Amino acid sequence: KQEVTQIPAALSVPEGENLVLNCSFTDSAIYNLQWFRQDPGKGLTSLLLIQSSQREQTSGRLNASLDKSSGRSTLYIAASQPGDSATYLCAAREGSYQLTFGKGTKLSVIP
Amino acid sequence: SAVISQKPSRDICQRGTSLTIQCQVDSQVTMMFWYRQQPGQSLTLIATANQGSEATYESGFVIDKFPISRPNLTFSTLTVSNMSPEDSSIYLCSVNGLLNTEAFFGQGTRLTVV
Repeated sequence: KQEVTQIPAALSVPEGENLVLNCSFTDSAIYNLQWFRQDPGKGLTSLLLIQSSQREQTSGRLNASLDKSSGRSTLYIAASQPGDSATYLCAAREGSYQLTFGKGTKLSVIP
Repeated sequence: SAVISQKPSRDICQRGTSLTIQCQVDSQVTMMFWYRQQPGQSLTLIATANQGSEATYESGFVIDKFPISRPNLTFSTLTVSNMSPEDSSIYLCSVNGLLNTEAFFGQGTRLTVV
């Protein structure tokens, strides 16, 4: 059974810093990996999707990498802003519908 | 991408009552998914709803507690029945994009049972 772990559970950084969020998964036979953002009490916003054949994806200040062989993905946020404060979730997809989520990393960017 | 509208966005309910959550998608989709996110926890899949057939429930979830309707290819409802405080969670509707690659979510329903 796939297990997804996100470390750290919470992170606080001053505005302007670059930061990395980590996601690890136990079964490397994934179809893709997706990063989401969740604001308090709200739904999920898709940030980046990395297919199993890809190594990384970029969108603006965000860059996500994937290393299937080691079961790891990272989300890099450049020049962090207070508006980036949210919980970031990663999810590994193993089939057409089976998504396994981590518990998330709660990010606080301090002005 | 898919745009998903979920209603209500939040509710406070008395124990023993039921709440029906609606999910509307802006395009036709084969499968719609319902998730639960308990406080401080990750998302857990409740069931998969296919149009024209009974929903498929994950281990630990039963139809009597979480009945689901899927009357057409753009709409689904999830009912949380006979609620208890342990049902207090965020409930989320989700669909897959083209080729079942990317997942999209509604804004969630924040349920508090008192």
